[in-house]
Amino acid sequence: QKEVEQDPGPLSVPEGAIVSLNCTYSNSAFQYFMWYRQYSRKGPELLMYTYSSGNKEDGRFTAQVDKSSKYISLFIRDSQPSDSATYLCARSTDKLIFGTGTRLQVFP
Amino acid sequence: DSGVTQTPKHLITATGQRVTLRCSPRSGDLSVYWYQQSLDQGLQFLIQYYNGEERAKGNILERFSAQQFPDLHSELNLSSLELGDSALYFCASSESGGGGANVLTFGAGSRLTVL
Repeated sequence: QKEVEQDPGPLSVPEGAIVSLNCTYSNSAFQYFMWYRQYSRKGPELLMYTYSSGNKEDGRFTAQVDKSSKYISLFIRDSQPSDSATYLCARSTDKLIFGTGTRLQVFP
Repeated sequence: DSGVTQTPKHLITATGQRVTLRCSPRSGDLSVYWYQQSLDQGLQFLIQYYNGEERAKGNILERFSAQQFPDLHSELNLSSLELGDSALYFCASSESGGGGANVLTFGAGSRLTVL
């Protein structure tokens, strides 16, 4: 079983939609979880990270961790075409281990 | 510009050859990480160096090796190249040696094509 699993998509939504991106993880000892965004032919860039359980909000983005179900979510409100990218979740301990990424396309 | 510099941006070579990828970390960062990204495998952790010392090892093949120099730049050496080594290779850097919220800053990547 992979440490972090993610549906590869692609996910295609209209502009303005609420997007939900999800990951599951295998080890309940993981404490920090991160979301990176990767545009085509670019390196991943950090969006946000959360510690343990709960929500964290940053503008249109909300990250959520549910430790009881080992579920990590990223919600994007009022999605824009500029949000079209691959979204990677990761768990952080001594190193970052990433999911395979979900490709999101927001069409006008 | 993330502050992490990778060269070359693109590299085309033949099977059996050897290449070296170079990374300069962001100013002030002591850790360097190497990742391989291919279509079917996603972003795979290869190896980490912290202040010149190997800190963690991932799915790095024996044909691959890396080092971090006293000026903190790092090189990833790939030898006896196979078609399956074609991928994007990313370098990332961080301030710390790991643990906690280990925030990595990634470079733009080196695209390797093995023909």
